[in-house]
Amino acid sequence: DAKTTQPNSMESNEEEPVHLPCNHSTISGTDYIHWYRQLPSQGPEYVIHGLTSNVNNRMASLAIAEDRKSSTLILHRATLRDAAVYYCITLGSGTYKYIFGTGTRLKVLA
Amino acid sequence: EPEVTQTPSHQVTQMGQEVILRCVPISNHLYFYWYRQILGQKVEFLVSFYNNEISEKSEIFDDQFSVERPDGSNFTLKIRSTKLEDSAMYFCASSEQEAIRGYTFGSGTRLTVV
Repeated sequence: DAKTTQPNSMESNEEEPVHLPCNHSTISGTDYIHWYRQLPSQGPEYVIHGLTSNVNNRMASLAIAEDRKSSTLILHRATLRDAAVYYCITLGSGTYKYIFGTGTRLKVLA
Repeated sequence: EPEVTQTPSHQVTQMGQEVILRCVPISNHLYFYWYRQILGQKVEFLVSFYNNEISEKSEIFDDQFSVERPDGSNFTLKIRSTKLEDSAMYFCASSEQEAIRGYTFGSGTRLTVV
């Protein structure tokens, strides 16, 4: 089973920031936090990952709580193309596989 | 941006037939993976492959499944005798290193077993 908990769905208005939360209370000290998204009829797409510090890339930002038991994916300005299922996954070193949960379905309103 | 390419995009096969799903991973990647997603369900790990051997596999990946890297560019998933419950989207993925830094997934092959 997935080791993360996410809301089933969220809505956002276009061009507004979106904060997608994830709880991973059983995370161990060496586990990474990965985020993927899956657009309709597509394979999962890597978004961002981090270990302890907050991370930014061209797609999003990842804010990791100090105790690492939760994290938040931040889309700075949601567009209609960001409508997707977002998955938060924790991954231990030496592990090859992702265990996907049900993710958060993000709906972006025009 | 480099892509993982999967062919065909949709395959229909008769129950009991063998099927081979093909993938071309990103050229400098060393780790290869297959996942599947039954309609409306979660994405599930099947197998990972590195250095010409399976590094990890799930319970789903039983004797009916096999993987191969027949040449320097292709990575294939074979299902020997398909069952109705094998109908799913099959995603290939690849990564430079272990999963730690993320993978690139292909767009998938929709397998329909009739």
